[in-house]
Amino acid sequence: SAVISQKPSRDICQRGTSLTIQCQVDSQVTMMFWYRQQPGQSLTLIATANQGSEATYESGFVIDKFPISRPNLTFSTLTVSNMSPEDSSIYLCSVAGTPGNTIYFGEGSWLTVV
Amino acid sequence: AQRVTQPEKLLSVFKGAPVELKCNYSYSGSPELFWYVQYSRQRLQLLLRHISRESIKGFTADLNKGETSFHLKKPFAQEEDSAMYYCALRFTGGGNKLTFGTGTQLKVEL
Repeated sequence: SAVISQKPSRDICQRGTSLTIQCQVDSQVTMMFWYRQQPGQSLTLIATANQGSEATYESGFVIDKFPISRPNLTFSTLTVSNMSPEDSSIYLCSVAGTPGNTIYFGEGSWLTVV
Repeated sequence: AQRVTQPEKLLSVFKGAPVELKCNYSYSGSPELFWYVQYSRQRLQLLLRHISRESIKGFTADLNKGETSFHLKKPFAQEEDSAMYYCALRFTGGGNKLTFGTGTQLKVEL
């Protein structure tokens, strides 16, 4: 299994500001992902964080709004830029680990934009 | 495109009653199906995956390719089963990405 730590766990942000969420894994993993869970909705994949190259974004998500870094195999950051109330969500880091590329999730970062 | 449907937002059962959480999927290839559970104030965690064909906490799920379903079942509900349950699909060539259903809140009443 993989133990995933996210920071911050919760924050209240002002409209127009940006916030960076950190994700730390206790072991080296090839694949890391960022998901969003808007209030009352399911999880939606934002992007795959690639180590040493640009992240791969899903339809509807762009790098300018959600820049991602992946400097090594245990760490990634997601920035939510120029926030609006519609960005109020839980943002979850996840990784593919053992056994069998099981997907593990962090506890999530709950952002409220006011 | 692949899709996962969980028709029930909320399912209430009495303790000791059977539980069935429905999940249907649409995908033309051979998917890998999962059930994830989120207990109150805890992180999302894997409950079971169809390729393991195992029973976890009394829950089982069988992949029915003919009906494109992966329903989660338990013969006797317990109070501690109350949680949010998500069905998820991973498809071949998808790079380990998961597509989630909208989730079913299971409430087990005494």
